[in-house]
Formats: sequence, C-alpha cells, structure tokens
Amino acid sequence: GAGVSQSPSNKVTEKGKDVELRCDPISGHTALYWYRQSLGQGLEFLIYFQGNSAPDKSGLPSDRFSAERTGGSVSTLTIQRTQQEDSAVYLCASSLARVTNTEAFFGQGTRLTVV
Amino acid sequence: AQSVTQLDSQVPVFEEAPVELRCNYSSSVSVYLFWYVQYPNQGLQLLLKYLSGSTLVKGINGFEAEFNKSQTSFHLRKPSVHISDTAEYFCAVSWMDSSYKLIFGSGTRLLVRP
Repeated sequence: GAGVSQSPSNKVTEKGKDVELRCDPISGHTALYWYRQSLGQGLEFLIYFQGNSAPDKSGLPSDRFSAERTGGSVSTLTIQRTQQEDSAVYLCASSLARVTNTEAFFGQGTRLTVV
Repeated sequence: AQSVTQLDSQVPVFEEAPVELRCNYSSSVSVYLFWYVQYPNQGLQLLLKYLSGSTLVKGINGFEAEFNKSQTSFHLRKPSVHISDTAEYFCAVSWMDSSYKLIFGSGTRLLVRP
C-alpha cells in the first residue's frame, strides 16, 4: 500500500478482555516498530522487528503484551487481560532498513480505550 | 538511561513570529537526531534529521535545527511561522549503540495564533 496501515483505528474494550492490533507496513520494508503514545507523553518504544524476528522486545511493559510478524509483512500486537492503564494510542512504523539509514514511516495509530 | 527532554509542552506564538522548540538528550555519545511533526488527526512525519556532517540541518516547510554536541541539544527553529504549522512536534534520538531504536521526547504543541 501507499503507507503504513493500522487497524482498527479505534478500539473500546472492557477491562480483562484481550485485544489484537494490526499493522500493515509499506511493502518491502524489512524493519517494523511498535510504539505507545499515552496522553501527554512521548512515544514509548515497545518492540522492533527485522523481518519476522524481534531482536528487541525490551519495551513491552509486561508479559500481557506480545507481538508477532509473519511473512516479513503484517504484524499483530496482542494485549491480554487489558487494564485501564493500557489505554493509549498504539503506533506502528516501518522502514526499509535501520531507521538511521532511511526514514521511518508511521501509521495513524490505533486508539485503545479500556473501560 | 538514555532519555530525550522537551521542556516546553506547549508553545503559543503569533503568526509570522519566529519560534524555537527545544530538545535536549541525555548523553554525548554519538547519536542520530530527528524531528517529527504530527498534524491534527494525522500520523507522524519526518521534518528533518541529523546523521553527520554540517550541524545545521534544513528540513521541510522552512524548519531547521542545529546540533550542539557540547550542550547535547537539537533545537528546532523557524524564522516565521504560519497558522498551518500548528501541530505537535517530537524530538527523537537514536544512539549508535542501539541505532535501530528511536527514543522520543514527550512532544511540544506549537499553537500559532493569527
């Protein structure tokens, strides 16, 4: 596609339920990143993929969070047993290679609200 | 720990006035520096980046930033702002020891008034 696509754009879920957030990166981009943006906060790094592997998962806040990437393309971020503090905008970005060599392109995000 | 600080959460300015958005980072170890902009209801887009070379970097929409290694700063400037520059601006830093990961500041909301 023309840009990074994320779905859904908005998600309201009840506390304790599981949610899946999807990211379709730009075709051919090998690197994929997930960030979280909470109200009044900057972007918090969650996880980085190079191809299908995740060399850096250090930003995942707890073991309730997991992510996978298949076929070097689509990625899903799963949050189990959601809590109210998980409410945030979840942003996905992709780049041709390391972000320092090329620009990282961001999707418009998924706004998650846990009630 | 590596961190990026944007001290000003909001900067109000009148149209056609100059503006400076401040960004400081925690370490003087070799870094790559970026400014991203997020317009209302849109995704982030790259304004400019510093990888090496000249410390004054020019970006899109008339913005520029200067890398100051001794002060560990990368302030963003524009000599004359427009209403359309109203947006959230994020400074981001990538340290060479983990160059795949961008660490972002908390953002500065630029509010341009007529």
